[in-house]
Amino acid sequence: DARVTQTPRHKVTEMGQEVTMRCQPILGHNTVFWYRQTMMQGLELLAYFRNRAPLDDSGMPKDRFSAEMPDATLATLKIQPSEPRDSAVYFCASGSGQGESYGYTFGSGTRLTVV
Amino acid sequence: AQKVTQAQTEISVVEKEDVTLDCVYETRDTTYYLFWYKQPPSGELVFLIRRNSFDEQNEISGRYSWNFQKSTSSFNFTITASQVVDSAVYFCALLTNAGKSTFGDGTTLTVKP
Repeated sequence: DARVTQTPRHKVTEMGQEVTMRCQPILGHNTVFWYRQTMMQGLELLAYFRNRAPLDDSGMPKDRFSAEMPDATLATLKIQPSEPRDSAVYFCASGSGQGESYGYTFGSGTRLTVV
Repeated sequence: AQKVTQAQTEISVVEKEDVTLDCVYETRDTTYYLFWYKQPPSGELVFLIRRNSFDEQNEISGRYSWNFQKSTSSFNFTITASQVVDSAVYFCALLTNAGKSTFGDGTTLTVKP
């Protein structure tokens, strides 16, 4: 089965450090999403891309977060500098098709702990 | 303001019962998408369905069915003949064409044997 691969699965870092999370979307999928899940805020959409172009990243704190797709096989989410409140599970998902021909697949998530 | 309300925080049913999870949304946008996701105890997220605002046709997929009614701004999800494996948190979400996304707080479904 095709899958979305996220790395790392777990990350513990100290406040102030840079964190980079990576996502390998399913080959051929043209839409990529980044989500964050915390107990306090629930699920939030941080950013999404279509054909590698950012469509929206209004859900992302711009001062410290950045999301990019350097190529069709890699999406990155970077936090610099990290803060304890960034501790969360970060999910990536990729999707294909438009109209009725669609589907989204999630990665297993990156559990980030900032101490 | 944009909002998604899943009024049922927790639902508990016995296996083989039918169960409906409610989702009511608010948006000023005329073009939007509605989603349902499942998050089992293992923590992964599973996409279930996407429906665009111009398509009010109900959908059935196996034991799952969705009822989209624009008149009441609702997108309810029904599981027929529930099974223990359906136990999970279910999220309803709204994504507008302008890119604004809102999730509901989720409904925790427990199906007992």
